Amino acid sequence: QQQVKQSPQSLIVQKGGISIINCAYENTAFDYFPWYQQFPGKGPALLIAIRPDVSEKKEGRFTISFNKSAKQFSLHIMDSQPGDSATYFCAAIDGGATNKLIFGTGTLLAVQP
Amino acid sequence: DAGITQSPRHKVTETGTPVTLRCHQTENHRYMYWYRQDPGHGLRLIHYSYGVKDTDKGEVSDGYSVSRSKTEDFLLTLESATSSQTSVYFCAISEGGSHYEQYFGPGTRLTVT
Repeated sequence: QQQVKQSPQSLIVQKGGISIINCAYENTAFDYFPWYQQFPGKGPALLIAIRPDVSEKKEGRFTISFNKSAKQFSLHIMDSQPGDSATYFCAAIDGGATNKLIFGTGTLLAVQP
Repeated sequence: DAGITQSPRHKVTETGTPVTLRCHQTENHRYMYWYRQDPGHGLRLIHYSYGVKDTDKGEVSDGYSVSRSKTEDFLLTLESATSSQTSVYFCAISEGGSHYEQYFGPGTRLTVT
């Protein structure tokens, strides 16, 4: 049972364009929503994260938009660069219960020069 | 990789043999996790530990056991490896509590023939 659903599976964007990755969840106990970035041959690394009491968080070119009522959140990468080419995972955690991260299935982003 | 090492980094083994993967941290974090990463599945939690000798199961724990005798080491054992356990295994650490960020190691690529 996939508790966090992520789309699209892969994404091709031109340099300078906007990359958008979407995630949806069911468990209303989730209270922390991170995005991880993974380059080939490396472990995932935290990119940006949001808590459900805010609707948007921006760090540089990366923005998370969060819709609590729809149980959806998305990652926007503005002015996408070839160096952003990586696999992106959304995740959710129920910190009050288990402190276990539940990951989405990942999106492979390719930014073409 | 935030003071996390995994050994071995690559291993090829035969079906039915026991395999132990090691995760070592220098951060003195309380929580340690083992994930497996497979195409189309993202990262799935195998087992985790919330302290020395304190462990619990994740969503894909069948066929795996873990041990944590010291804060810095978390061992993952495949008692009798099967081809379905061919995967990339990642260890992660976290301070826990209100600090939810997980830091991932470089991964171990395991092939079971």
